[in-house]
Amino acid sequence: NAGVTQTPKFRVLKTGQSMTLLCAQDMNHEYMYWYRQDPGMGLRLIHYSVGEGTTAKGEVPDGYNVSRLKKQNFLLGLESAAPSQTSVYFCASSYPGVRNQPQHFGDGTRLSIL
Amino acid sequence: AQKITQTQPGMFVQEKEAVTLDCTYDTSDPSYGLFWYKQPSSGEMIFLIYQGSYDQQNATEGRYSLNFQKARKSANLVISASQLGDSAMYFCAMRESGWNQGGKLIFGQGTELSVKP
Repeated sequence: NAGVTQTPKFRVLKTGQSMTLLCAQDMNHEYMYWYRQDPGMGLRLIHYSVGEGTTAKGEVPDGYNVSRLKKQNFLLGLESAAPSQTSVYFCASSYPGVRNQPQHFGDGTRLSIL
Repeated sequence: AQKITQTQPGMFVQEKEAVTLDCTYDTSDPSYGLFWYKQPSSGEMIFLIYQGSYDQQNATEGRYSLNFQKARKSANLVISASQLGDSAMYFCAMRESGWNQGGKLIFGQGTELSVKP
């Protein structure tokens, strides 16, 4: 049972570099999400997707882009990394329309920007 | 605006005792769901329990129960018979049910629980 898989688990970047975080889910979920977690602030939504080919902005979208070309994958891109983007990034997925269904989370990606 | 507040940054509890973690929320939507997640030091997010705004009874899952007081807009997590493995960060989250909400969750700041032997 893979569930939600995030790649990579750790990464160190230099300011100005770009990278893509990959999220893959094998539960056939329609909805997918990217959050960031910073100390003392809980999880904040960056972008989300309600289906293949659709994306929308969350609470903190600036500096990030996303794509959902396939239902099972949701990519988070940083075009020009900044130290303020040092964080732990979580991907999650869920079914629509089933009220008590939780979001299922990946194990997170720890990203440091120097 | 929707908001979740957890006012206890850290808490201690003696092993085998019960503990209550506070969560208050603010929303104008009559239909919503409340979730609690556990995040151990290893970092993963583990779903614990769910309460729907129209549920008549408080949710329970094993040693976890939810003290849901709708009029006060609170959804406190009660952990009975604490175990050392319960030491973790706990997050309260809310999901609004509108068709265009995309199932988004709004998280509180979290409460770090430490269980003492």
